[in-house]
Amino acid sequence: GENVEQHPSTLSVQEGDSAVIKCTYSDSASNYFPWYKQELGKGPQLIIDIRSNVGEKKDQRIAVTLNKTAKHFSLHITETQPEDSAVYFCAARPNYQLIWGAGTKLIIKP
Amino acid sequence: DSGVTQTPKHLITATGQRVTLRCSPRSGDLSVYWYQQSLDQGLQFLIQYYNGEERAKGNILERFSAQQFPDLHSELNLSSLELGDSALYFCASSVEAGGRGTGELFFGEGSRLTVL
Repeated sequence: GENVEQHPSTLSVQEGDSAVIKCTYSDSASNYFPWYKQELGKGPQLIIDIRSNVGEKKDQRIAVTLNKTAKHFSLHITETQPEDSAVYFCAARPNYQLIWGAGTKLIIKP
Repeated sequence: DSGVTQTPKHLITATGQRVTLRCSPRSGDLSVYWYQQSLDQGLQFLIQYYNGEERAKGNILERFSAQQFPDLHSELNLSSLELGDSALYFCASSVEAGGRGTGELFFGEGSRLTVL
């Protein structure tokens, strides 16, 4: 079955710098790759997603890239701000279920 | 506000007891998912219901059970509780069964279960 690996588990960056979180997946049938953000004390919330027929997608300071050949996708956050501090989860969908990565705790240092 | 309502927000109980967690999905959403999140852990998928029928099963223990009612709300029943069952339990809903459209999940704020 599908397996999603997410790295790093913790990422600490200076405010204003960029952050990159990477995920790899194993099942080439996966066709949908969302990223969720979980703030402290809250449930995860979708922040951006990408489908397998697209290589990159941007939404203001957030972008996701997908390399289907290498089976990996990444979340890029530019000009990080304190409110970006959270746990980020990637996921892949090979059929009708999401397979989740283990999460990355992003810490923004002032 | 995601539109998904979970009750109770906090629950403290003893080992061996049974509890019921309740979830009301977003208006119009037919799918309900239950997830377990232990301290500093990822999201463990437990079970999904779509329009009253079980759609998919994940790592749900036999001591746990769930159902979705005709009004689409769902309940997760946890019995013979153990210390290791202490966790955040999230409910999420989506408009579809999965595999079509964006498949966005809308999460509630969770029910924090503490087993003493």
